[in-house]
Amino acid sequence: SQQGEEDPQALSIQEGENATMNCSYKTSINNLQWYRQNSGRGLVHLILIRSNEREKHSGRLRVTLDTSKKSSSLLITASRAADTASYFCAYSGGGADGLTFGKGTHLIIQP
Amino acid sequence: DVKVTQSSRYLVKRTGEKVFLECVQDMDHENMFWYRQDPGLGLRLIYFSYDVKMKEKGDIPEGYSVSREKKERFSLILESASTNQTSMYLCASSYIGVNYGYTFGSGTRLTVV
Repeated sequence: SQQGEEDPQALSIQEGENATMNCSYKTSINNLQWYRQNSGRGLVHLILIRSNEREKHSGRLRVTLDTSKKSSSLLITASRAADTASYFCAYSGGGADGLTFGKGTHLIIQP
Repeated sequence: DVKVTQSSRYLVKRTGEKVFLECVQDMDHENMFWYRQDPGLGLRLIYFSYDVKMKEKGDIPEGYSVSREKKERFSLILESASTNQTSMYLCASSYIGVNYGYTFGSGTRLTVV
């Protein structure tokens, strides 16, 4: 499988600011998902956007998907210290295999 | 609260040992997965299973095997542990079908010395 790529690899912002992370992938997909991982722990599913959707919201999260550019973005609004974590995009390519994950963006929220 | 439970949080094993990593889910999920996570490489799929007694190779199956005798349990086996298998191992489960998210366990940090 071909891993996706997140951009930037690391991001540091002030509390209250918005954080934007991008993900690019290389294959056709059924959906794209975003996960959060706190230091040394398992991943937590945040949001799933299907290939026929362009935008989706969940609380302070906004995800966009552009299948023509094979890219997605995750926006976290009004960031909090508790949002400090690594964020991964993952996608399902439609085959029988599991999700392919990107390498992650490490987000630090400065208080 | 639904859960994926991995039997050990930290594990230290010697080179050549046979190592068992256990994963149990209580959500009646059909799919179960084993990933390893390494700095700079992200998550890579080792093996997955869609049903009891079924298994499929992921991207990096070499040196590993799996067992799924019951729906709720998926075991990862390192036949003869090597130092390059030092890693964070993550188990996940999901419902069958492509539009479901995964539920992950907390991970097992394995060190092979």
